[in-house]
Amino acid sequence: QSVLTQPPSASGTPGQRVTISCSGRNSNIGSNFVAWYRQLPGTAPKLLIFNTNLRPSGVPDRFSGSKSGTSASLAISGLQSDDEAEYYCAAWDDSLSGWVFGGGTRLTVL
Amino acid sequence: EVQLVESGGGLVQPGMSLRLSCAASGFQFDDFGMHWVRQAPGKGLEWVSGLSWNGGTIAYADSVKGRFTISRDNAKNSLYLNMNGLRPEDTALYYCAKDVTLAVSGTGFDTWGQGILVTVSS
Repeated sequence: QSVLTQPPSASGTPGQRVTISCSGRNSNIGSNFVAWYRQLPGTAPKLLIFNTNLRPSGVPDRFSGSKSGTSASLAISGLQSDDEAEYYCAAWDDSLSGWVFGGGTRLTVL
Repeated sequence: EVQLVESGGGLVQPGMSLRLSCAASGFQFDDFGMHWVRQAPGKGLEWVSGLSWNGGTIAYADSVKGRFTISRDNAKNSLYLNMNGLRPEDTALYYCAKDVTLAVSGTGFDTWGQGILVTVSS
């Protein structure tokens, strides 16, 4: 059971906007920054969002992050077929004194 | 090019020890926090341990506390993970990851190695 809760799956059609949620607690999302990662099968995770809503250079502005209270969201607009991947949220947890990850969301582009 | 390369994995019996290494290149190693993250076969990501730029702040997941020790050698641009008392549930692909900041409790991990497999089985 992951500390951060994500839906196991999400889907959308090409061009559509999809959001992936990540639910936590005051000790993690409620008081710290959130990061989002994308992982393709057989490859290392890639940082999509850090500081809750900042994109590393090279990540297109189709990807955006937000937070409200103890929940965070990753939005992907203009969905593309190569967006099919596993998506993870993560945050530092003050109570655990460590990083915690969500269980991952498998995004399917229909 | 910013790069992290892990080594030292393999097959070990339960209770044995193993030392993972991560060689960093392409960035100022001693300006950033570093982490180990693992992924069991078919499972999600689990943060294992991290330390700040100078090793002054160290943190561990409860699942490895007391068994694993993280360290770094800034002169050699290297990160290490000493793993003792290995258990079958430690079987995973272990990734070395660079923090965006100099801290352990930073804001994200912006560079990852390719991962190294550790298998604990009799």
